[in-house]
Amino acid sequence: AQKITQTQPGMFVQEKEAVTLDCTYDTSDPSYGLFWYKQPSSGEMIFLIYQGSYDQQNATEGRYSLNFQKARKSANLVISASQLGDSAMYFCAMRHNQFYFGTGTSLTVIP
Amino acid sequence: DTEVTQTPKHLVMGMTNKKSLKCEQHMGHRAMYWYKQKAKKPPELMFVYSYEKLSINESVPSRFSPECPNSSLLNLHLHALQPEDSALYLCASSHNHLAGGLARNTQYFGPGTRLTVL
Repeated sequence: AQKITQTQPGMFVQEKEAVTLDCTYDTSDPSYGLFWYKQPSSGEMIFLIYQGSYDQQNATEGRYSLNFQKARKSANLVISASQLGDSAMYFCAMRHNQFYFGTGTSLTVIP
Repeated sequence: DTEVTQTPKHLVMGMTNKKSLKCEQHMGHRAMYWYKQKAKKPPELMFVYSYEKLSINESVPSRFSPECPNSSLLNLHLHALQPEDSALYLCASSHNHLAGGLARNTQYFGPGTRLTVL
């Protein structure tokens, strides 16, 4: 059974605009973590942001924020003030007994 | 410091060659991972080492042989590979491999080795 779903294979955003990348997950375990990674064309998987299932507030890291809606089992990544260097693949992942990755969203920032 | 290093960056090998990929971390993490990633796909887990012992082998063919000489190092020995084994090989580490969604279980990845098998 697929644990993590990313329904947007590709997204485009204008430079300096905000963009939301969708992620939904499936688990019956009360304790889990949600992660977002960025993978530029160079290949490195860069950790962006973490949200724990018991965290009361949405996680934020600089221009990245995670819109965590537990009842809807969604963990969308919001990137504010997009930059050209944000063009990359973005993977949502969940951890409870092991790590599960979504299929990824390819983001292109247009000048 | 959240750095995981991998060498080499690129590797081209023939089907009869023997080569090794190396991964190193100095974050005191006790879990280390090998992933295989094909273009435009998510990483696929191959092996997990927990406290220097092989914890998970995701039914990987024996032509891939992992080794964890100490808590900081992880090797992947390659022998008699096939062209379909060409991929990006990513190493990662985390605090431990216990269940649960703790922040310290964040996996940090190295830059990867791009492997081409001719």
